[in-house]
This record gives sequence, C-alpha cells and structure tokens, in this order.
Amino acid sequence: AQSVTQPDIHITVSEGASLELRCNYSYGATPYLFWYVQSPGQGLQLLLKYFSGDTLVQGIKGFEAEFKRSQSSFNLRKPSVHWSDAAEYFCAVGAPGYDYKLSFGAGTTVTVRA
Amino acid sequence: DTGVSQDPRHKITKRGQNVTFRCDPISEHNRLYWYRQTLGQGPEFLTYFQNEAQLEKSRLLSDRFSAERPKGSFSTLEIQRTEQGDSAMYLCASSSGAEAFFGQGTRLTVV
Repeated sequence: AQSVTQPDIHITVSEGASLELRCNYSYGATPYLFWYVQSPGQGLQLLLKYFSGDTLVQGIKGFEAEFKRSQSSFNLRKPSVHWSDAAEYFCAVGAPGYDYKLSFGAGTTVTVRA
Repeated sequence: DTGVSQDPRHKITKRGQNVTFRCDPISEHNRLYWYRQTLGQGPEFLTYFQNEAQLEKSRLLSDRFSAERPKGSFSTLEIQRTEQGDSAMYLCASSSGAEAFFGQGTRLTVV
C-alpha cells in the first residue's frame, strides 16, 4: 500500500519569499503524484501532477514540483509567494493502472506574513 | 459542466439520526470516490465506484455507512445512527483516469 509523509505541519513565509513544501512517499514502483491546495472550508484544487517523463513539473499559480526517485520525494516550490497562497497543501500518491484511489499526507499549513 | 457538485454543503444533526449526502460527478467521468477528512488531517479513502459498481470499501466504512451510485450517475452516502466521531468533511471526487476532481465537500457536525 502507498503512503505519504509531509514532515512540516506548519510553515510561515514572508510575502515575496520562496516556498518549499516537502513530500515523501512510499510505493513499490513509480506512483502517480499530486499536489492539492485547500482553502478553509473548501474542497481540493489540483495544483500539479506527475505521471511520467520530465521530473520537473509545472502547475497552476506559479507552482512547480520535482520528482526525485532516489529520495522518494516530490517537493513543491514557488519562487515568490503571494498572500493568497495562504492555505493548506496536500501531497497525494496514487497507484497507476489500478483504482487510482489516492493516499494523502496530513497536510502542511502555509501562513503568509506581510 | 461546472465540476463536481455536493449537497448539502453543511449538515448539523443530532447523535443517532440518519443523514444522506449527494454527489453529482462530472458527467463523463465513470469513476466516483468518497473521502473523509477530519480536522487537521488529509482526506482518507472511503469507497469508490466504477460506473454503478462499488468496487472497494475501506475498513473505515463501518456497517453504519452505505453508498450507492444508481445508474452510474450521481452517488449518495448515507450514515445511519450518527455518532460524534462521524463529524468530518465528506469529499466526493470523480475521474475518467488518474486525475481526480474534487467537490466542495459536505461538512457534517454531529451534536
């Protein structure tokens, strides 16, 4: 079974500074990897996904993530955060070619200070 | 198409009552998933359908929970004899492949 670890529960970053959120997964082969964002009381919005190919993937809102097989990681980055990026971020892993159900990490809450 | 729709958005119920939630997936999506999210946690898989067939149920889905997807369209999730521990956000997602699209969720509070 797949699993995901997000080591950072809460990150505070200044507006305009860079942001990196860590994600480590456990899966026997190359999984499908996702980053979702959730605003308070809302559903999940997909930021980006990795299925195969180029290990650096671009997403919406200026986010990017890099898949590193050797480290079983899929870290999310943004060069310059905006106050609107304050939210909770979830990394998720899915099993290719099976049921595509997702296993999520516990999430990282991002606070942006002015 | 406006995406995955869930109804109601919020539900407050007394312990012991039954509740039912509805999910309308994106019309061409054959897969439909239910997840539960408690405060401070990531969503946890409950069950999924391919068309009208319920193909997997998590051990989190006790016998008080039942889900249906008649005719492979909308889905309902019913919780019987609600308990305070059922308080959570219930999320529905649909897909036609690996990428899932989530609804806004139904926030259940059991008092």
